[in-house]
Amino acid sequence: EVQLVESGGHLVQPGGSLRLSCAASGFTFSSYEMNWVRQAPGKGLEWVSYISSSGSPIYYADSVRGRFTISRDNAKNSLYLQMNSLRAEDTAVYYCARGGPLDCWGQGTLVTVSS
Amino acid sequence: QAVLTQPASLSASPGASASLTCTLRSGINVGTYNIYWYQQKPGSPPQYLLRYKSDSDKQQGSGVPSRFSGSKDASANAGILLISGLQSEDEADYYCMIWHSSAYVFGTGTKVTVL
Repeated sequence: EVQLVESGGHLVQPGGSLRLSCAASGFTFSSYEMNWVRQAPGKGLEWVSYISSSGSPIYYADSVRGRFTISRDNAKNSLYLQMNSLRAEDTAVYYCARGGPLDCWGQGTLVTVSS
Repeated sequence: QAVLTQPASLSASPGASASLTCTLRSGINVGTYNIYWYQQKPGSPPQYLLRYKSDSDKQQGSGVPSRFSGSKDASANAGILLISGLQSEDEADYYCMIWHSSAYVFGTGTKVTVL
């Protein structure tokens, strides 16, 4: 069974940092592009970042470029999102999603940025 | 102006057909894009429904019923998700998405209510 499990989300103060993880199983992780997508409370979906199967190229949304860093470890079947200089508007559920069609999603992890 | 615009809501009766539109911003030609569609129910992650570029280039998500189908209206510069034979379980938010200028872009979302 294809499965994506996010972790690492919690309450952090503005200006703080957080690292999210996404553990993949049930498919050949190293063969797939991966993405992070977020959803603020009561709002729509916002794509955050993309990483190719090999780790390059990488793309970011304008709203996070320069603050967030996506990476992956194919040996550990894991995807990461390093989030720095966090702002209140980064508060959201963060999902990892597989591939170009984003055809498989995790359950998400909640990041709350508040003092 | 948003890149992808969707009507905020749509209501229809069980058994009816519902046509959800995803209008691309002027200057972005729907004919050149894959249009992806997702369904999201409250408290759950989005679920991939399908990809549509043309009648000869499309993909149904795994396990997605054939009553969900995609098309385009070139005159309106829009992608369309058609849900035939509406069921109560189809009540959800629906999002379209494209890959544009090295970024995934989601539509504003349509809330479908089955009366």
